[in-house]
Amino acid sequence: EAAVTQSPRNKVTVTGGNVTLSCRQTNSHNYMYWYRQDTGHGLRLIHYSYGAGNLQIGDVPDGYKATRTTQEDFFLLLELASPSQTSLYFCASSDHWGYAEQFFGPGTRLTVL
Amino acid sequence: QQKVQQSPESLIVPEGGMASLNCTSSDRNVDYFWWYRQHSGKSPKMLMSIFSNGEKEEGRFTVHLNKASLHTSLHIRDSQPSDSALYLCAASHNTNTGKLTFGDGTVLTVKP
Repeated sequence: EAAVTQSPRNKVTVTGGNVTLSCRQTNSHNYMYWYRQDTGHGLRLIHYSYGAGNLQIGDVPDGYKATRTTQEDFFLLLELASPSQTSLYFCASSDHWGYAEQFFGPGTRLTVL
Repeated sequence: QQKVQQSPESLIVPEGGMASLNCTSSDRNVDYFWWYRQHSGKSPKMLMSIFSNGEKEEGRFTVHLNKASLHTSLHIRDSQPSDSALYLCAASHNTNTGKLTFGDGTVLTVKP
């Protein structure tokens, strides 16, 4: 099974703060994704990537940047955090598009005060 | 933007009962449907996928797909308390980079 890890697992910051969430996958998957999950909503796609240096915009990208530095590592950046970004963030990876299962990391709970 | 609608929002079934969950996509170009299960405090894990019209069974779980109506359903027979979880339906195209669109989920509670 694919191994996807995320750090930190919990993060508290203040409004206007800078936050970087990290994700690493060790199964040589090409595709990686960042989602947020809020109560009453399923998973909403923020950004995704299909290889090192590639970045695609998801469905809720406002206020987020992302960077894929290697095949293994995908980062989500919040440069001016706002309380509306308080959420549970999941990273996922898959080895093909469309018809491939996505494997999720354990999640990072972010609180913006 | 594609929408995936799930119903009901929540469902309570007795242990040993049948749970039926529904999902419909508004995007006529959808090719694949997925069901993910998320236990409380955990990350989502794929439960079943279905790509063709018809039915697919794996143990106590059965998935149906009607591509004409873009409707899929998940049925859990002999429900167990361990089946209590958030069930997320997702849909994807064959033509983009693997982007899944998720519904808001159905919370299933199985009462002993």
